[in-house]
Amino acid sequence: GAVVSQHPSWVICKSGTSVKIECRSLDFQATTMFWYRQFPKQSLMLMATSNEGSKATYEQGVEKDKFLINHASLTLSTLTVTSAHPEDSSFYICSAPGLAMATDTQYFGPGTRLTVL
Amino acid sequence: GENVEQHPSTLSVQEGDSAVIKCTYSDSASNYFPWYKQELGKRPQLIIDIRSNVGEKKDQRIAVTLNKTAKHFSLHITETQPEDSAVYFCAARLPGGYQKVTFGTGTKLQVIP
Repeated sequence: GAVVSQHPSWVICKSGTSVKIECRSLDFQATTMFWYRQFPKQSLMLMATSNEGSKATYEQGVEKDKFLINHASLTLSTLTVTSAHPEDSSFYICSAPGLAMATDTQYFGPGTRLTVL
Repeated sequence: GENVEQHPSTLSVQEGDSAVIKCTYSDSASNYFPWYKQELGKRPQLIIDIRSNVGEKKDQRIAVTLNKTAKHFSLHITETQPEDSAVYFCAARLPGGYQKVTFGTGTKLQVIP
């Protein structure tokens, strides 16, 4: 089946630094990918929709200058958390819809645990 | 946009009993309703889904029912087992766009051996 990978699986960084998270579709092309953030004991909250070759669409309340998204190829989307602060510590998950395979299924990456000290 | 509410937030059942989780959605145009199981620190896993043209769907011990008129859908797990313990999320999707889904708030299910 379709596989989505994320890298790194976890990262610890100092406050004020930037962190890049990669999301790859390994065996299918994904013109669209979604980025979610999940705080402990909470639901997945959609941050933005990443579109290959065009600007990402951000959900209301998500700072586009802080969470930079780049979708430069059909298999790779990146999320960069700029000037990270402790409140950005969270579980970040990407997903790719099964559009290309004519399926309703969304394929989730394994997630990235970000801890900002 | 779509809004999905989910109840209860926590649910404890004895092994072998049934568990029911309920969700309501706000936009009657939503046409696809997946259910996910998420274990701690893991990605969500699709366990069952239903489209709006179907009222019920079953897969072994798991079933989902949909009431479009009331904008309700429910997950039913029968003969619960300890390995069913996890957080369950319902979701709803509007047609068109990029298959973006809106998640419910989650239910932590604990199956007591």
